[in-house]
Amino acid sequence: DIQMTQSPSTLSASVGDRVTITCRASQSISNWLAWYQQKPGKAPKLLIYKASSLESGVPSRFSGSGSGTEFTLTISSLQPDDFATYYCQQYFAYYTFGQGTKLEIK
Amino acid sequence: QVQLVQSGAEVKKPGASVTVSCKASGYTFTSYYMHWVRQAPGQGLEWVGIINPSGGSTRYAQKFQGRLTVTRDTSTSIVYMELSSLRSEDTAVYYCARGGDVVVPITSVRDAFDIWGQGTMVTVSS
Repeated sequence: DIQMTQSPSTLSASVGDRVTITCRASQSISNWLAWYQQKPGKAPKLLIYKASSLESGVPSRFSGSGSGTEFTLTISSLQPDDFATYYCQQYFAYYTFGQGTKLEIK
Repeated sequence: QVQLVQSGAEVKKPGASVTVSCKASGYTFTSYYMHWVRQAPGQGLEWVGIINPSGGSTRYAQKFQGRLTVTRDTSTSIVYMELSSLRSEDTAVYYCARGGDVVVPITSVRDAFDIWGQGTMVTVSS
């Protein structure tokens, strides 16, 4: 099974900050990677697919990059609505999620 | 609008079975794969299984083999997930989520999940 490891597990930041979350795969997954945002009590929301493609309706302050085994999600200027938990997911071979990164208000 | 609406919360005893439904609307039901994902309380996301609503073919995560059955009813655009021999570790929120186009064979589909149901809490407790 492909393992996905996110870092950090928790990130404290302020409105307006630029933040980056990293996701590493245990083997190469090419660019078959997605990023999701989840708020408490809600279903996940797709942000990025194929590592760097922005899902329709998602603000352009979200961006994704990477290929192979290392990937990043960047939020260019944090907004109040962005404080949530973020998950990466590989879909190269079956489907595996990272453990999540909780983005908290500093 | 495109949406997935799931059935309500369930409480079951260990050893019992549970069936969760997911009704699709706003798009052609038989054109997109449907996945099931679960999330134990305070934990991360875990993929459970996938169904092709057109032909009915399925694939399940290894850990659920033998206990999981995913089916669909094309006349009502509903996908069903039945999990049997429930244990306390199955306590979780179960989500259905739309995947990619069924033109890709289920053995080689690679799809992110663009639409999610609201989730169904399944509690297993004696």
